[in-house]
Amino acid sequence: SQQGEEDPQALSIQEGENATMNCSYKTSINNLQWYRQNSGRGLVHLILIRSNEREKHSGRLRVTLDTSKKSSSLLITASRAADTASYFCATLPPGNNRLAFGKGNQVVVIP
Amino acid sequence: DVKVTQSSRYLVKRTGEKVFLECVQDMDHENMFWYRQDPGLGLRLIYFSYDVKMKEKGDIPEGYSVSREKKERFSLILESASTNQTSMYLCASSSAGARDTQYFGPGTRLTVL
Repeated sequence: SQQGEEDPQALSIQEGENATMNCSYKTSINNLQWYRQNSGRGLVHLILIRSNEREKHSGRLRVTLDTSKKSSSLLITASRAADTASYFCATLPPGNNRLAFGKGNQVVVIP
Repeated sequence: DVKVTQSSRYLVKRTGEKVFLECVQDMDHENMFWYRQDPGLGLRLIYFSYDVKMKEKGDIPEGYSVSREKKERFSLILESASTNQTSMYLCASSSAGARDTQYFGPGTRLTVL
């Protein structure tokens, strides 16, 4: 069943700006993962944050997790045209063995 | 680098045909997954396998079956293709079930006429 929901659904920004997208979920989680998908391609894993973590960084990516609000945010700093893609959050509920993917968030970075 | 390959990038089949989609991973992962992706619906899990010859239904298994005879290969079978199975099919693998990172193949865009 699908649980993660990204917001906003579509985002258009200028190159160099920061892009922020949010993901909300309904049940408790073991971890939350963010993936990127370039047009017509497979998904690429970006970052995984566990339920006992509040913030994680990877290069230009910053992910936060607020389990009390059941939400996560993905920040891409100093965006580049190559960041144009769809971004998905995926949650893993405790005791479950399958990820629940959100519907995706389309980001367009204008050069 | 983990590599997950899928047998075809694009496939066109006719209604009623039996369709095989193949997925191969080279990282000795125990777990493999088949998803379909449709606009507005995101990714939905069809089947997954946590060991050779083991399989478990996902959220939308109807009309599909799977086969895992070897650890590195996971096949998705459409017994009798229908137009509502036109979709992007994505295979993924992981070493620790869904708890860990999933590595995706490039996808197969299947059109059923």
